Amino acid sequence: GQQVMQIPQYQHVQEGEDFTTYCNSSTTLSNIQWYKQRPGGHPVFLIQLVKSGEVKKQKRLTFQFGEAKKNSSLHITATQTTDVGTYFCAGLGSGGGADGLTFGKGTHLIIQP
Amino acid sequence: SAVISQKPSRDICQRGTSLTIQCQVDSQVTMMFWYRQQPGQSLTLIATANQGSEATYESGFVIDKFPISRPNLTFSTLTVSNMSPEDSSIYLCSAGDIVNTEAFFGQGTRLTVV
Repeated sequence: GQQVMQIPQYQHVQEGEDFTTYCNSSTTLSNIQWYKQRPGGHPVFLIQLVKSGEVKKQKRLTFQFGEAKKNSSLHITATQTTDVGTYFCAGLGSGGGADGLTFGKGTHLIIQP
Repeated sequence: SAVISQKPSRDICQRGTSLTIQCQVDSQVTMMFWYRQQPGQSLTLIATANQGSEATYESGFVIDKFPISRPNLTFSTLTVSNMSPEDSSIYLCSAGDIVNTEAFFGQGTRLTVV
């Protein structure tokens, strides 16, 4: 079955430093999505990438989808304490929306003020 | 977007009993899914809840243990049957669409089996 690997599992940064999490799928994806989950909360959709090589930005967040549609990254510039949480990538396979998402293990972002 | 109400938010249950979790969406959605998440861990898909037919289960999950209902396009239930402490987890329902595939999640049900 489809597997989605995500690294690192934990990332400690000083406030103001940058942060990157990486995601790699065992199979080609129809799209990849990113979610943020605050401690005690539920996953909240951030963005979806569909096209090969796609790059999207949301303020300080930059999302990339690899040319082969098998890997992705999320980069946060100048982290703030509000960025604390777990960031999950989730891949959608060839079945499209009819299949559930396959989530990576997530990267726990811890920010030290 | 869709707003999902999930209840109960948490429960403590005796082993051997069953708990039914309800998920209500504020609009009709094509797809509904149930996930399990251990605290601090990733989400694992349990099954896809199909409207008007039997749910589609992922490997490692069976209908006898996790019966699912989906009577219409806005509502689904997941039952955790004959519970054991290993079933202690957070259970999340999500809703989505085949075309716009972003998933919206309920608040989750934190289940503790003692």
